[in-house]
Amino acid sequence: RKEVEQDPGPFNVPEGATVAFNCTYSNSASQSFFWYRQDCRKEPKLLMSVYSSGNEDGRFTAQLNRASQYISLLIRDSKLSDSATYLCVVKRERSSASKIIFGSGTRLSIRP
Amino acid sequence: DVKVTQSSRYLVKRTGEKVFLECVQDMDHENMFWYRQDPGLGLRLIYFSYDVKMKEKGDIPEGYSVSREKKERFSLILESASTNQTSMYLCASREISGELFFGEGSRLTVL
Repeated sequence: RKEVEQDPGPFNVPEGATVAFNCTYSNSASQSFFWYRQDCRKEPKLLMSVYSSGNEDGRFTAQLNRASQYISLLIRDSKLSDSATYLCVVKRERSSASKIIFGSGTRLSIRP
Repeated sequence: DVKVTQSSRYLVKRTGEKVFLECVQDMDHENMFWYRQDPGLGLRLIYFSYDVKMKEKGDIPEGYSVSREKKERFSLILESASTNQTSMYLCASREISGELFFGEGSRLTVL
């Protein structure tokens, strides 16, 4: 079983729709959580960190459920420019350096 | 802006060749990483370095080695390239506990 699992999609939704992705992680020692965005043929870039209390950045809302070990990302009023692959990222500290694990990504396609 | 630069965007090599992938960052970051990204498998960590001359194996180090002689430079070496090493290679760097910044990637094809 992968340590971080995501639905690969693709999610194909109309512009203006609300879409949500989940990500589950298996290691309860995981400490920090992030969503990265990767455009086609580009490098991943940080979209937002995920805090225990949940956090919002414009149209994007991230939530963490430690008891059930999942993270979610909600995108409201989706735009064509939101089309990308969204990577769930989990970090846990080790003695030398943090271990950072990526999910395989959820592909989102917004149609006009 | 943080800049992570990978030396080659596209490479084509033959089986058995030695391959060097270079990565340079300009923000004095402590940690540097090499990942490979394959469809359906996501990003998998090959090696990382938390300081000059320090390195640690990631999840898939077999067939690879690394070098970090200077803080800004982290090299990935394929001693004898094989076809199953055809992939997109991504270098990243960060301060301790900071955000990961990625290079644009090096797409390697091994024939």
